[in-house]
Amino acid sequence: SQTIHQWPATLVQPVGSPLSLECTVEGTSNPNLYWYRQAAGRGLQLLFYSVGIGQISSEVPQNLSASRPQDRQFILSSKKLLLSDSGFYLCASGTGGGNTIYFGEGSWLTVV
Amino acid sequence: AQTVTQSQPEMSVQEAETVTLSCTYDTSESNYYLFWYKQPPSRQMILVIRQEAYKQQNATENRFSVNFQKAAKSFSLKISDSQLGDTAMYFCAREDGSSNTGKLIFGQGTTLQVKP
Repeated sequence: SQTIHQWPATLVQPVGSPLSLECTVEGTSNPNLYWYRQAAGRGLQLLFYSVGIGQISSEVPQNLSASRPQDRQFILSSKKLLLSDSGFYLCASGTGGGNTIYFGEGSWLTVV
Repeated sequence: AQTVTQSQPEMSVQEAETVTLSCTYDTSESNYYLFWYKQPPSRQMILVIRQEAYKQQNATENRFSVNFQKAAKSFSLKISDSQLGDTAMYFCAREDGSSNTGKLIFGQGTTLQVKP
């Protein structure tokens, strides 16, 4: 099975400051990688996914961006955070075809 | 938009009893995959059970089983002999097979409280 490492676990940032959340994957190669956001303890919204190095697809227009500099590294960034960016962010990894998608432990972001 | 709907925001069950969580979905694909994930208070997302739409037989994992009704596009989760550790938020999800990216479309979740 795969292991997803995600950090930092908790982050409090002022409005207008930059953001970098990082995720690394162990136990597989060439995975599909995903960033989800969970607001107010409800459903998960897919923000970005990547099927390979340097390949990023955005699901919703937003203030955030993603990058995949290495096969098993996925980074979520922002140049200037908004209050609405607050939430719980989850990195996930999978191989498609109905196989299990594995999740990291998540990062709590509070923008103040 | 292809969606996943969980119509029960909150449910509760007595320990040792059985509870069923509902899920319906929308898709135009003939074969696809469905999942139930559990999110306990720790927030870690854990796979509970998966079902391939091509297979008629309902999936079972120990105390967890599904009632998959393909024509009705319904995928409910039954938890038997509920335990306190089953207290969590449960998410139904469908894999988006149209793009071959493996991405999951989630429902809004059902918060389950198991009472002693």
